[in-house]
Amino acid sequence: NAGVTQTPKFRVLKTGQSMTLLCAQDMNHEYMYWYRQDPGMGLRLIHYSVGEGTTAKGEVPDGYNVSRLKKQNFLLGLESAAPSQTSVYFCASSLQGSGANVLTFGAGSRLTVL
Amino acid sequence: GQNIDQPTEMTATEGAIVQINCTYQTSGFNGLFWYQQHAGEAPTFLSYNVLDGLEEKGRFSSFLSRSKGYSYLLLKELQMKDSASYLCAVKDSNYQLIWGAGTKLIIKP
Repeated sequence: NAGVTQTPKFRVLKTGQSMTLLCAQDMNHEYMYWYRQDPGMGLRLIHYSVGEGTTAKGEVPDGYNVSRLKKQNFLLGLESAAPSQTSVYFCASSLQGSGANVLTFGAGSRLTVL
Repeated sequence: GQNIDQPTEMTATEGAIVQINCTYQTSGFNGLFWYQQHAGEAPTFLSYNVLDGLEEKGRFSSFLSRSKGYSYLLLKELQMKDSASYLCAVKDSNYQLIWGAGTKLIIKP
């Protein structure tokens, strides 16, 4: 059971380039999330999805887009990368949104924008 | 605004006990979570509190006081593998998770 798989694990981009981070989960979870983690700060929610075909903005959505065409996949896109988007990105999934819904995280994707 | 406060770093000795505090000010409360994150790895779930009191799970316990906006994570019989960051997160009235910056715990032999 793989859980949550993120690709790629590392990426270096130049300012203005675009890229897509892929998240896949095999636990049949309804909810999926994209977070970024920066030194000295808590995890910040970028976008999330409450089911196949749905997406919603989180706390810091600007500069990112997402898609959830299939229940098991949640893609995070950067259309025109900026140095401020240098961060570690974590995808997570949960069975539901309320109650004690435990998040299962992927291993993270470290992105550097030069 | 919403805020979660945790100490940035703590040091403890192998075999000892350590308490990591978390205070929060959020718009509503629908539960508090503790996650463990080893360096370079993903956060993993430790505990969940929604009612006041102590939840015990092996060497780890978590306490909640909703009236004080306060929680702590208690780690007993510390082992070297407990060296990690411990993240406190509160679910607000919109069921959104608000995360603290984490407490880096260093265990010394």
